[in-house]
Amino acid sequence: DTGVSQDPRHKITKRGQNVTFRCDPISEHNRLYWYRQTLGQGPEFLTYFQNEAQLEKSRLLSDRFSAERPKGSFSTLEIQRTEQGDSAMYLCASSLEPTGGYFSPLHFGNGTRLTVT
Amino acid sequence: QKEVEQNSGPLSVPEGAIASLNCTYSDRGSQSFFWYRQYSGKSPELIMSIYSNGDKEDGRFTAQLNKASQYVSLLIRDSQPSDSATYLCAVNQAGTALIFGKGTTLSVSS
Repeated sequence: DTGVSQDPRHKITKRGQNVTFRCDPISEHNRLYWYRQTLGQGPEFLTYFQNEAQLEKSRLLSDRFSAERPKGSFSTLEIQRTEQGDSAMYLCASSLEPTGGYFSPLHFGNGTRLTVT
Repeated sequence: QKEVEQNSGPLSVPEGAIASLNCTYSDRGSQSFFWYRQYSGKSPELIMSIYSNGDKEDGRFTAQLNKASQYVSLLIRDSQPSDSATYLCAVNQAGTALIFGKGTTLSVSS
């Protein structure tokens, strides 16, 4: 178990640029989640995948955000035309799929800290 | 809007005391409940999960769940300065992902 890996750890970009983050989940986990966290707040749900299928996106998620998990392994999160309000920590987590309606715990990566100038 | 509510704190306790952290949730269909600890600048790490009403103990930590009252709590016995962190409550909404509260900041003084 090598844990959830995220890349890059830090990203500084200018407003209007596109950025892409990568997440490699724990290998046996078929669920992968993206969250965003700002200072003083809890993680805010963005989207999640089960295998390669994107099962849910937050209604609050702008159309500038898109995520993929093409082969059911790693995932990418792209933000187009970044805005200063996108500055946050972007957290990826993975888990086994629920059993009997009960969620398995999420295991988080170290996050990617995005700063938009 | 389904919600998970936590008192943001800070909660300050002396070393060796019991720290009590509370969380309420709005979705009666929730079945899975988690406590995470988050140190400043780090990502959340799992402390405990609880699925059934009652208490669940793991070392110095005890999680308590009351589904009728839509309430989940975390007790930390013999609090240590190293327990100083933000504690996040997470609850699944029926059929969707885990929703997190804003977290309670705990400060343990030596």
